[in-house]
Order: sequence, then structure tokens, then C-alpha cells
Amino acid sequence: ILNVEQSPQSLHVQEGDSTNFTCSFPSSNFYALHWYRWETAKSPEALFVMTLNGDEKKKGRISATLNTKEGYSYLYIKGSQPEDSATYLCAFNTDKLIFGTGTRLQVFP
Amino acid sequence: KAGVTQTPRYLIKTRGQQVTLSCSPISGHRSVSWYQQTPGQGLQFLFEYFSETQRNKGNFPGRFSGRQFSNSRSEMNVSTLELGDSALYLCASVRIGQSDWGRQETQYFGPGTRLLVL
Repeated sequence: ILNVEQSPQSLHVQEGDSTNFTCSFPSSNFYALHWYRWETAKSPEALFVMTLNGDEKKKGRISATLNTKEGYSYLYIKGSQPEDSATYLCAFNTDKLIFGTGTRLQVFP
Repeated sequence: KAGVTQTPRYLIKTRGQQVTLSCSPISGHRSVSWYQQTPGQGLQFLFEYFSETQRNKGNFPGRFSGRQFSNSRSEMNVSTLELGDSALYLCASVRIGQSDWGRQETQYFGPGTRLLVL
């Protein structure tokens, strides 16, 4: 059974703090790793699709790195804002997407 | 472009009943995936349809079934509902493209159907 783990489960930070969280996935038979942001009462929204070892992607204040050899990806948020409050999901891509349980981020003003 | 739509948004059923949920993907997308989310669990993959054919299935009992129509709209059905089927059911419209490293999928999620089984 393929396991995708995310840590921490939840995170509370002050506005302006930078933060990061981890997604661990099987290091064999890697195809792609997806990151999603899921705000309350909305649909999950795709942030990044990462495929190459050492890949780094950036979208505004959010960036992600990928290490396929050791099976982890980091998501970084620089200068967190209250609107960044959401659950961040990663998903390991095999013939389907296997999701982690997410990191719930709350940013306090 | 209209997004993914799911109907109904909320549903209350009792044990033993059956339910049908509907998903209309983004125009032009031919692949639809379904997921279940229960408290404390990540999104659990139910099945994927492409051009009216089930391409992949998750580890759910046979009470969970689905289909896709020629216009790419998809339905999922749960028969003989159990309390544990209470969940948020999400549908994703899948855009399949090609990149330098091969086939790349991006999933666009609908708002979900929240099912409560009493």
C-alpha cells in the first residue's frame, strides 16, 4: 500500500511569518507529485505539479521543492498572510492520485 | 470557461437507501475522477472515467459504482447506504497534456456533494 504522509498536521503562525511543511512519498516508481490548496468552503485548487528531482517551483510567495531520491517535497510560504489559511494537500501520482491528509495552516493577523 | 459542477451540493439519506451524485466536467475534458473525503482521512480515490470507460478503481466495495456519458458528464451511485458513507464526495475534471517529461495531468475539483447518512 502506497503511503503519502504530510507533516505537521496543523500549523498556526502569525501574519508575516514564513513557514514550511513536508510531504513524504515512496521514492520508487516516481512519476509526479502534486500540491493543492484547499480553502474552507471552496474546492481544492492545484498549486504545482512537480516531476523532476531537484525541481523548484514558485507561485507568488509560495514555492515548493522536490527530492525524488529520498521521497520528500517541501512547500514554503514566505511572509504568510491570513488569506493563506487553508489546508495544503500533496498527492503522489501513480496511475491515480494518492493524497496525504494535508497540513492545515492558520495565519493570524 | 465554466468550472466543474456537482449536484446536489447537500444530501441527507437514511441507511439502506441509495444515492446518485452527478458531476459535469469542464468543457473539453474527457476524464473525470471521483474522491471521498471523511473526517481525519485524506481524499480517497474512488474511480476514474475516460471516454465513458472506467479506467481505474480505488479500494471501495461494490456498492460504489459510477458511469460516464458521451458528453463526459459522470454519475456515481452508492447503494445500500451505511452510516460510514457520510462524507464529502468530490469530482475532478482532468486535463491531460504533454510536457517535456511525458504525460501530465492536472485535476480541477468541483465544489463537492456533502452526503449525510442517518
